[in-house]
Amino acid sequence: SYELTQPPSVSVSPGQTARITCSGDALPKQYAYWYQQKPGQAPVLVIYKDSERPSGIPERFSGSSSGTTVTLTISGVQAEDEADYYCQSADSSGTYGPYVVFGGGTKLTVL
Amino acid sequence: EVQLVQSGAEVKKPGESLKISCKGSGYSFTSYWIGWVRQMPGKGLEWMGIIYPGDSDTRYSPSFQGQVTISADKSISTAYLQWSSLKASDTAMYYCVRHGDYGDYFDYWGQGTLVTVSS
Repeated sequence: SYELTQPPSVSVSPGQTARITCSGDALPKQYAYWYQQKPGQAPVLVIYKDSERPSGIPERFSGSSSGTTVTLTISGVQAEDEADYYCQSADSSGTYGPYVVFGGGTKLTVL
Repeated sequence: EVQLVQSGAEVKKPGESLKISCKGSGYSFTSYWIGWVRQMPGKGLEWMGIIYPGDSDTRYSPSFQGQVTISADKSISTAYLQWSSLKASDTAMYYCVRHGDYGDYFDYWGQGTLVTVSS
């Protein structure tokens, strides 16, 4: 089955750079997407197609891809960035696709 | 403005049936796949399945196939998620989501519907 693996937690001080990774064997062939979820709220898309940023998402959020790992980078972390972050991908190659998968989520703590 | 507005929280007993809804507005409802995502208490996101309201083509995650039914009524721009016999393990927040323009991802999310199943 298709799986995405994220670290359970990442901690950074305000103003530093946070990097959250997501690993999966199919990532070289499939795009990755990232969502931010704050407590009690619905998730929000912050990155699509590995590195594209939707309108309204601050420029400090960026995404990159290298082999089987994709990375969400938050530059100049602010207290408001404290949240759970989920990567997501999909396998659309099957006849009954897509098969959408989420990573387990990473809790970003701003110290 | 694109909006997905979900029905309110539900409290049910094991064995009961349930249908929750998601009304789309601000875009062409029949032109985008609508999906459902489960989040159990304190846990991560799980994709359940999707429907294309234009022709009711429906796809399910293998984990949820046979456990739930996804449907849509395009005349009222509303998608549904239903259970015929709830279990305590169905207790979760359920989000409806709209597929993005550029692939299999979700650009808009409903506010969520909390389903609690308890005897």
